[in-house]
Amino acid sequence: DVVMTQSPLSLPVTLGQPASISCRSSQSLVYSDGNTYLSWFQQRPGQSPRRLFYEVSNRDSGVPDRFSGYGSGTDFTLKISRVEAEDVGLYYCMQGAHWPRTFGQGTKVEIK
Amino acid sequence: EVQLVESGGGLVQPGGSLRLSCAASGFTFSDYWMTWVRQAPGKGLEWVASIKKDGREKNCVDSVKGRFTISRDNAKNSLYLQMNSLRAEDTAVYYCAAGAYSPDYWGQGTLVTVSS
Repeated sequence: DVVMTQSPLSLPVTLGQPASISCRSSQSLVYSDGNTYLSWFQQRPGQSPRRLFYEVSNRDSGVPDRFSGYGSGTDFTLKISRVEAEDVGLYYCMQGAHWPRTFGQGTKVEIK
Repeated sequence: EVQLVESGGGLVQPGGSLRLSCAASGFTFSDYWMTWVRQAPGKGLEWVASIKKDGREKNCVDSVKGRFTISRDNAKNSLYLQMNSLRAEDTAVYYCAAGAYSPDYWGQGTLVTVSS
């Protein structure tokens, strides 16, 4: 199985400051069609997961542009340029290139 | 508006069975792979199973193979998860999601508790 490793697992951030989450996969996430199937999800407290990015850097509708996703191959990053209160929650990366699909452990973003 | 509404969760004894359902609306159900993802209390997300648009291809995580079966009825815009031989470690909120490469729509989840 492809292991997805996120770091850090806990991320206390000051409001207005940047935050960055790393996600590394144990195998390349480039699929046979040439696309890289790495997604990012946000889960606010008490809510269902919500997708933020698909195929590394494609931002979903309604996702603020202070969020960015980038990377390639096995090394990916989710960045928040200026953290706001509504960004508190858990963030997960997920690979969709191999079966079984696998998620990272999750990174908890909280306000200092 | 896209909606995925799960139902069928509840309390079941170890070794028992449950059938989860997911009613989809607001999008063309038959155009999407569909997926079940679960989240144990206080834990992270775990992919459970996915099924192709026409139902002819299915994949699931090893821990549920031989016990869980994913299925769909495109005429009813519905997704199902038949869960047999349930174990305590299957206790989780089960989410229905649209997509298998990168699920973009998610339901609110249904809680399954396996306990005597």
